Amino acid sequence: AQKITQTQPGMFVQEKEAVTLDCTYDTSDPSYGLFWYKQPSSGEMIFLIYQGSYDQQNATEGRYSLNFQKARKSANLVISASQLGDSAMYFCAMRDNQAGTALIFGKGTTLSVSS
Amino acid sequence: NAGVTQTPKFQVLKTGQSMTLQCAQDMNHNSMYWYQQDPGMGLRLIYYSASEGTTDKGEVPNGYNVSRLNKREFSLRLESAAPSQTSVYFCASSEPWTGAGGYTFGSGTRLTVV
Repeated sequence: AQKITQTQPGMFVQEKEAVTLDCTYDTSDPSYGLFWYKQPSSGEMIFLIYQGSYDQQNATEGRYSLNFQKARKSANLVISASQLGDSAMYFCAMRDNQAGTALIFGKGTTLSVSS
Repeated sequence: NAGVTQTPKFQVLKTGQSMTLQCAQDMNHNSMYWYQQDPGMGLRLIYYSASEGTTDKGEVPNGYNVSRLNKREFSLRLESAAPSQTSVYFCASSEPWTGAGGYTFGSGTRLTVV
């Protein structure tokens, strides 16, 4: 069965610093997609970044980058130059090809950014 | 605005009551999903519908039923609510085999069962 593991319940960082949120995954499918979502205290799910299993380069979207290490089955999110507005819950997710392409989620990491 | 609309946004039920959570999308997506999020936890898949006319169980289907009424609408029913079903429920939609940004989430229904 496919699985997503996020081992950091909480992370703390100061403004303007970079932070890495860890994510490891388990799947036997050769084709898969990895996603990161942000959930602020208001509750909505905000898509941040996507990495396909066949993508040769690490994905980047503005201040977000995904450190994709396929052999280690890790897909860590790197946020550069943290801002106060980055304080939120962050979820790693993977497309589950056994469940109609539903996303399966990790338990999340709470990021707190201080000034 | 295009997207996924969930109703109601908030609901309080008494134990044993029933209710239906409504979800509608206007993006012509084939796939729709219902997720449950307990406080401080990740989202868990309750049911999904890969296409109109089909529904399948996800990770936590017990206590729930779903109906894919048409391509736009996917409802979630609690027949006899229990306090353990106090949670936030998200509906989402997508095209199959979608890549970046292809999943759209509703704003959630916050349900409390007393």
